[in-house]
Amino acid sequence: GNSVTQMEGPVTLSEEAFLTINCTYTATGYPSLFWYVQYPGEGLQLLLKATKADDKGSNKGFEATYRKETTSFHLEKGSVQVSDSAVYFCALRPGGSQGNLIFGKGTKLSVKP
Amino acid sequence: DTGVSQDPRHKITKRGQNVTFRCDPISEHNRLYWYRQTLGQGPEFLTYFQNEAQLEKSRLLSDRFSAERPKGSFSTLEIQRTEQGDSAMYLCASSRTAETGELFFGEGSRLTVL
Repeated sequence: GNSVTQMEGPVTLSEEAFLTINCTYTATGYPSLFWYVQYPGEGLQLLLKATKADDKGSNKGFEATYRKETTSFHLEKGSVQVSDSAVYFCALRPGGSQGNLIFGKGTKLSVKP
Repeated sequence: DTGVSQDPRHKITKRGQNVTFRCDPISEHNRLYWYRQTLGQGPEFLTYFQNEAQLEKSRLLSDRFSAERPKGSFSTLEIQRTEQGDSAMYLCASSRTAETGELFFGEGSRLTVL
């Protein structure tokens, strides 16, 4: 079946530290991959996406590369800010599907000044 | 504000009662999704509509749950004979097409069943 596994949180970093949040997936076919973010008090919003192998999604200084050989889509940022504190969700949409997204459990990030 | 809106934001009910949640999607979006999220978990898919047609339902959507989108605009999610295990955040999302995979989420409706 289709599933997403992401590293457990919470993750606490100091401002300007390097961030990695690991995400691996299991899927049949060729899924599309996403990172969504939920800031405190707000709804989930798309952060970045990649639709095929070796694609790199990027937004707001965050990056993730679709690695088919390792079935991974790790989220990285070179220098985090306090405003990046949020819950991050990795998600996939199964290949050929026009329907739902399958989400990981989420990783809470706290960035201290 | 032209985002996805959900109502009520929080509902407290007694076990066995019926509850209904409403979702108003972004106006030009023809797809509408319902998800459920419990504490410490990611959103779990329940169902989605394209216009007024319900195209997919998760096995999580038991016969006590029903969703409608009668005119292809707003949607309702009704839970009959609520159980304590139904306590969760119910999220609505909408999208213009499926190709981008970008869903726009509302802030959710939190259900507490006593």
